[in-house]
Amino acid sequence: DAGVTQSPTHLIKTRGQQVTLRCSPKSGHDTVSWYQQALGQGPQFIFQYYEEEERQRGNFPDRFSGHQFPNYSSELNVNALLLGDSALYLCASHRVGSYNEQFFGPGTRLTVL
Amino acid sequence: AQSVTQLGSHVSVSEGALVLLRCNYSSSVPPYLFWYVQYPNQGLQLLLKYTSAATLVKGINGFEAEFKKSETSFHLTKPSAHMSDAAEYFCAVSDAGGTSYGKLTFGQGTILTVHP
Repeated sequence: DAGVTQSPTHLIKTRGQQVTLRCSPKSGHDTVSWYQQALGQGPQFIFQYYEEEERQRGNFPDRFSGHQFPNYSSELNVNALLLGDSALYLCASHRVGSYNEQFFGPGTRLTVL
Repeated sequence: AQSVTQLGSHVSVSEGALVLLRCNYSSSVPPYLFWYVQYPNQGLQLLLKYTSAATLVKGINGFEAEFKKSETSFHLTKPSAHMSDAAEYFCAVSDAGGTSYGKLTFGQGTILTVHP
């Protein structure tokens, strides 16, 4: 059983560019959450998708947007990249009713130059 | 709103010694509590979870944690540290139901170093 997968593993962009990160949830999971982990910090909640809709959002600007597809996979888009967007982006999935036990992917390391 | 405080950003122990990583939480509703471990350049792996059943929770790799409502704590322990336990550990909280939909709020993390 494959766990949560993310692509790409690493990405280098320049300020002002746009980026798309991808996530496939663990088999049987229907909810995908995205977190940003800056260097030396704990993960911060960006948003969560369920039934192809954004269900909850953290304190992130509108430059951060997402999408969930019918197969439950998800994308995170970041527009107008800033240096401060450099971080590890983690995708997590869980199944509704599973005590919110979230399984995390390996992350995508984004570097903005 | 929920929050997590992990006391001690760095903890150092000798191999074979007791590991104690401290976590205090704040939540206006009954919480679910989690401990995750992160090895360098990797994602987070769930060690254990509290979901309002037994207050003493056993997890993987010999770790356990005790939920103490009166102290709003959920400290992580392991009787005997192994070199392979060296990693960063995160405590997290979510609402038990309600409208959080499973959003996790994390602490700042504690880096565990194990000396031979």
